[in-house]
Amino acid sequence: NAGVMQNPRHLVRRRGQEARLRCSPMKGHSHVYWYRQLPEEGLKFMVYLQKENIIDESGMPKERFSAEFPKEGPSILRIQQVVRGDSAAYFCASSPSGTNNQPQHFGDGTRLSIL
Amino acid sequence: GNSVTQMEGPVTLSEEAFLTINCTYTATGYPSLFWYVQYPGEGLQLLLKATKADDKGSNKGFEATYRKETTSFHLEKGSVQVSDSAVYFCALTAQGAQKLVFGQGTRLTINP
Repeated sequence: NAGVMQNPRHLVRRRGQEARLRCSPMKGHSHVYWYRQLPEEGLKFMVYLQKENIIDESGMPKERFSAEFPKEGPSILRIQQVVRGDSAAYFCASSPSGTNNQPQHFGDGTRLSIL
Repeated sequence: GNSVTQMEGPVTLSEEAFLTINCTYTATGYPSLFWYVQYPGEGLQLLLKATKADDKGSNKGFEATYRKETTSFHLEKGSVQVSDSAVYFCALTAQGAQKLVFGQGTRLTINP
């Protein structure tokens, strides 16, 4: 009964490096969402993907951030040339469909620290 | 735009006290409303939901009623336990949309 799996749980990068965060949705779920949580704040939507398609990326920063959800394998959130302000917890969620009354199920997050 | 406003924390109560965490929202149409709970170092867990006006969501002794007339979805529990200590998030998905819009969260601490 695996839930949403995210890895790594903790990731440390130096400024200028790349960070790759992975998310495997719950079995049977084909809709994936990424959210960012800054310290002591709520979660902010970043991007919504369905298999091989980006549906809504209205919350993604215009530069350095990208996301994909290939036909096979996990969804990847990539941050290039990381800066201190990227330090946050990044959460992935999944749902079986894209209807607004379906609850999203969350992973335990990846805590990204930038040195 | 769509938004959620939650009661500011932190909230500290004694065990067996009555809990209310206020949540109001702004959204067009008929959003779906959710309460999520986050324990330290973990992701968010769905606590309860309501998808139409006057619906009451309930789980683990927690309740919240979707009030369209006051655009509110307040969380209540009659008798809290130490294990209820966590951060609680009110959230919505707008009609026809999928992304969750969260409130800022309310940190709840229950003392024995």
